[in-house]
Amino acid sequence: GAVVSQHPSWVICKSGTSVKIECRSLDFQATTMFWYRQFPKQSLMLMATSNEGSKATYEQGVEKDKFLINHASLTLSTLTVTSAHPEDSSFYICSARDVAGTSYNEQFFGPGTRLTVL
Amino acid sequence: GQNIDQPTEMTATEGAIVQINCTYQTSGFNGLFWYQQHAGEAPTFLSYNVLDGLEEKGRFSSFLSRSKGYSYLLLKELQMKDSASYLCASLDSNYQLIWGAGTKLIIKP
Repeated sequence: GAVVSQHPSWVICKSGTSVKIECRSLDFQATTMFWYRQFPKQSLMLMATSNEGSKATYEQGVEKDKFLINHASLTLSTLTVTSAHPEDSSFYICSARDVAGTSYNEQFFGPGTRLTVL
Repeated sequence: GQNIDQPTEMTATEGAIVQINCTYQTSGFNGLFWYQQHAGEAPTFLSYNVLDGLEEKGRFSSFLSRSKGYSYLLLKELQMKDSASYLCASLDSNYQLIWGAGTKLIIKP
């Protein structure tokens, strides 16, 4: 149980285009989903926290108009990178927290999306 | 400020034991996680500690001292597949994970 999927697994796009990444909790409901970015040889960096039915909370330094997050249901959150540039190339990972919760608020991670902007 | 410290890289021999240390300073504390991450993949959960002491799970054990802001991950009977990055993360008062930079573990035959 507790499976999170991401789509696509990898994407290559031209500079200036927009890319949408989907994050789904397959066998549980997630009130909260998290979006991370990871550059090579660096740790995970939290971009935003997404709560179902409300606006996402962005971390300092993350442009909310560039990284659009929508969490329309308890099983789906999307991240749209608008007007992508080469510096946005990174590994984007989502995680989800089960509504029922565990005793320790475990986050379940998706497999990640590798974005390359040419 | 919030800070998680762990060594950047460690090397160990197949079949041996290795201990990866982590110190943390966070706003509030609701537990300490260890995750394993292979290159190009998302992290996978290894352990969670919220009370002082040692939690053993097969070849992996995790220890926590809240008073010292210190945790370690102990890996026994190392296998080549254990070569990965090991991430320490503290759950703060807002139930947000604060991540360390990760320790790259290299296993040699």
